[in-house]
Amino acid sequence: DVQLVESGGGLVQPGESLRLSCAASEFTFDDYGMSWVRQVPGKGLEWVSGINWNGGSTGYADSVKGRFTISRDNAKNSLYLQMNSLRVDDTALYYCARGGHSGSYSSALDIWGQGTTVIVSS
Amino acid sequence: DIVMTQSPDSLAVSLGERATINCKSSQSVLYASKNQNFLAWYQQKPGQPPKLLIYWASTRESGVPERFSGSGSGTDFTLTITNLQAEDVAVYYCQQHHTTPFTFGPGTKVDI
Repeated sequence: DVQLVESGGGLVQPGESLRLSCAASEFTFDDYGMSWVRQVPGKGLEWVSGINWNGGSTGYADSVKGRFTISRDNAKNSLYLQMNSLRVDDTALYYCARGGHSGSYSSALDIWGQGTTVIVSS
Repeated sequence: DIVMTQSPDSLAVSLGERATINCKSSQSVLYASKNQNFLAWYQQKPGQPPKLLIYWASTRESGVPERFSGSGSGTDFTLTITNLQAEDVAVYYCQQHHTTPFTFGPGTKVDI
């Protein structure tokens, strides 16, 4: 089955860094744009970042711009989110999601992982 | 940023009846050169990730029951669930992917 599996979440203190990973399987990873979406438990969805098929185009939410960096390794079928200068309000469940077959990240998200939890607390 | 609003915040519908959810964007999400609205609808059940229902405002994702339909263009969109089933209890979100940052609506909770 087509699958996305996130990892790398955990408990960190404000100001620290964390790197999330997303392993893709059973589809041609470099055919697709990818995104990260987060959700505070009991709250709505927030698009965090997106990347096109070859990493040449990226986008970020205003709330994370300059602190988070999205990247991908197509040889490893993996997506990453480097999160620096973490803040308490970055606490959320982070989902990896597949975008369009066109390779752009400007697309609806048709496959989602189960998410990895990030908690930022002192 | 494009602001997405949804109405109502929640609604209760009897089994077999119709649910209508509205979504409005602060700017047009119509991609003129492609004549496509970059608007998607998702369903999220408790403890699960979102599931794509509708893309390009009105195209049903593969495997999604025909009772789910999307309509609208520009800034005003609607998700309609006809013949509501018990398994349709969920929160429904619209999302624009026309202009970064891509933004979601606040969600509409559908109950029986």
